[in-house]
Amino acid sequence: GDSVTQMEGPVTLSEEAFLTINCTYTATGYPSLFWYVQYPGEGLQLLLKATKADDKGSNKGFEATYRKETTSFHLEKGSVQVSDSAVYFCALAQGGSEKLVFGKGTKLTVNP
Amino acid sequence: DTAVSQTPKYLVTQMGNDKSIKCEQNLGHDTMYWYKQDSKKFLKIMFSYNNKELIINETVPNRFSPKSPDKAHLNLHINSLELGDSAVYFCASSLEASSYNEQFFGPGTRLTVL
Repeated sequence: GDSVTQMEGPVTLSEEAFLTINCTYTATGYPSLFWYVQYPGEGLQLLLKATKADDKGSNKGFEATYRKETTSFHLEKGSVQVSDSAVYFCALAQGGSEKLVFGKGTKLTVNP
Repeated sequence: DTAVSQTPKYLVTQMGNDKSIKCEQNLGHDTMYWYKQDSKKFLKIMFSYNNKELIINETVPNRFSPKSPDKAHLNLHINSLELGDSAVYFCASSLEASSYNEQFFGPGTRLTVL
């Protein structure tokens, strides 16, 4: 079945550091790809998405590019802030289906 | 002006009890979901409803029964609670049953079974 693999956390960075959280997927066809973020004590929020190969999703300084050849959707940010501390989830959905398949989440802590 | 709300926020109960978690969305969405997040933060879909009809039912024990009285509400009833049911349960909604529509999540209900 479809699956998403994220880099193991936790990840701890200093403010203004560069962030990469790796995400790879296994799926038949051409899924849509997502990054969701969960701030402490809250539900998940959609951060960005891409629906086809080579699309780049971006939001709040975060970016991820849908790479079909490497089945990857790595999340990047050039300069993290303390307020970016959260758990980040990579997810996929097949062919317009509403069923999201999530990775295990990566906890990010940014220190001042 | 909460979009997706859940009650209660915390639920502590004994093994064998029956409990319910309520979810309401005021976004006018047609589709609602229940997710379970275990202690390792792994998040998995349990059910989804579209216009009060069940459309996704993952491999979930029969002790879990979702009920949708109208399209703004999706409640989760759990019978004969077990220790392994301890988790955070998230309700979510989307405009339609499609990956092209963003899912909006509630704040979660932390269930602890003793």
